Amino acid sequence: SFELSQPPSGSVSPGQTASITCSGDKLGNSYAWYQQKPGQSPVLVIYQNTNRPSGIPERFSGSISGNTATLTISGTQAMDEADYFCQAWDSSTVVFGGGTKLSVL
Amino acid sequence: EAQMVESGGGLVKPGGSLRLSCAASGFTFSNAWMNWVRQAPGKGLEWVARVKSKYNGGTTYYAAPVEGRFTISRDDSKDTLYLQMNGLKTEDTAVYYCATEKSGNFDFNYWGQGTLVIVSS
Repeated sequence: SFELSQPPSGSVSPGQTASITCSGDKLGNSYAWYQQKPGQSPVLVIYQNTNRPSGIPERFSGSISGNTATLTISGTQAMDEADYFCQAWDSSTVVFGGGTKLSVL
Repeated sequence: EAQMVESGGGLVKPGGSLRLSCAASGFTFSNAWMNWVRQAPGKGLEWVARVKSKYNGGTTYYAAPVEGRFTISRDDSKDTLYLQMNGLKTEDTAVYYCATEKSGNFDFNYWGQGTLVIVSS
């Protein structure tokens, strides 16, 4: 098994770029990212490290370097204020990061 | 549009049992690899279990904390996913979501609204 670490919180000004990191103690297979707003179910925003599902705005992008995955939100909007969770898997065990609460101030 | 509706949650005493259901519509359920993911109140997400499609063998997988206590199953004739939970512990208290996989990489693209399970004496 392995662990994924995310910063517990972050903030960004509207229109600026937000980056959320997800560091693993080893490389997982295929990172994904989820957005969750209060009282709602999670929404997949990035899958297979860099792919964006249909319906997800282009301002959301994913990248990976070594054991760290990064979610980048370009031109952040107020509606992007939410909790973001990274997730990866290895040997059919799934791990989520602890989540990052992103504030758009 | 894909839709999933969970049911069966509620209050149960430690050591008790509960069966959750997830009724799916709007997609070909029999082809989907299905999962349960839970979220304790105010906490992060935790994967619980997965069942592949029957075409892919119907293989099941479990997270270590629930292995041996929970059983995931599916009834493709009813487009319904189940989670039988036995030997419940207080730490199983959470909202339980069913979720589909987009590409077979545990990337959960459709989620239900969740059902709350509270384990308390």
